[in-house]
Amino acid sequence: SAVISQKPSRDICQRGTSLTIQCQVDSQVTMMFWYRQQPGQSLTLIATANQGSEATYESGFVIDKFPISRPNLTFSTLTVSNLSPEDSSIYLCSVEKLGVTYGYTFGSGTRLTVV
Amino acid sequence: AQRVTQPEKLLSVFKGAPVELKCNYSYSGSPELFWYVQYSRQRLQLLLRHISRESIKGFTADLNKGETSFHLKKPFAQEEDSAMYYCALSPSYGKLTFGQGTILTVHP
Repeated sequence: SAVISQKPSRDICQRGTSLTIQCQVDSQVTMMFWYRQQPGQSLTLIATANQGSEATYESGFVIDKFPISRPNLTFSTLTVSNLSPEDSSIYLCSVEKLGVTYGYTFGSGTRLTVV
Repeated sequence: AQRVTQPEKLLSVFKGAPVELKCNYSYSGSPELFWYVQYSRQRLQLLLRHISRESIKGFTADLNKGETSFHLKKPFAQEEDSAMYYCALSPSYGKLTFGQGTILTVHP
């Protein structure tokens, strides 16, 4: 299966600032996704990162708040902008590789605390 | 819209007892269903996908389209099975919808 390196693993940020999270995969993957897991909640899909084009956002998530880049088939970044305490969550990168039956692989997550 | 329901937030069993983690879904088409597991201090990892029809770590799950269920079962629970379990559905390629999760605790 694909090996995902997600950085940083955790961070504490001041409100009003931004945090950029990186997701690096050890092989080319077709699909890359970003999820959010709020405290005590399940995982919610933020967006699908598309290589060479704008990300596809889910209802309730907008590009201005969560800009995403995917410059190639192995790397993506998620920025959480204009941070507020409500953004304190775990953010996870996930990938799927066409033709492989192992299913979706997840990164170790980034635990963000906004103070 | 699709939805995944895991009715039990917490489930406790004793070692060697059978365990069943419930998962119900709502979706009008033919979804792809998964079970993910997260052990303490580890990342989320795929346990089962219904299309594979395989048994992993002694766990099995059968898709029941009539009851729209995908319950996870193991005949003899082990202490190392203690973890958070998520049921997830993919109605179209790539978009996973997760249930709320069930914390399984297996007592010695």
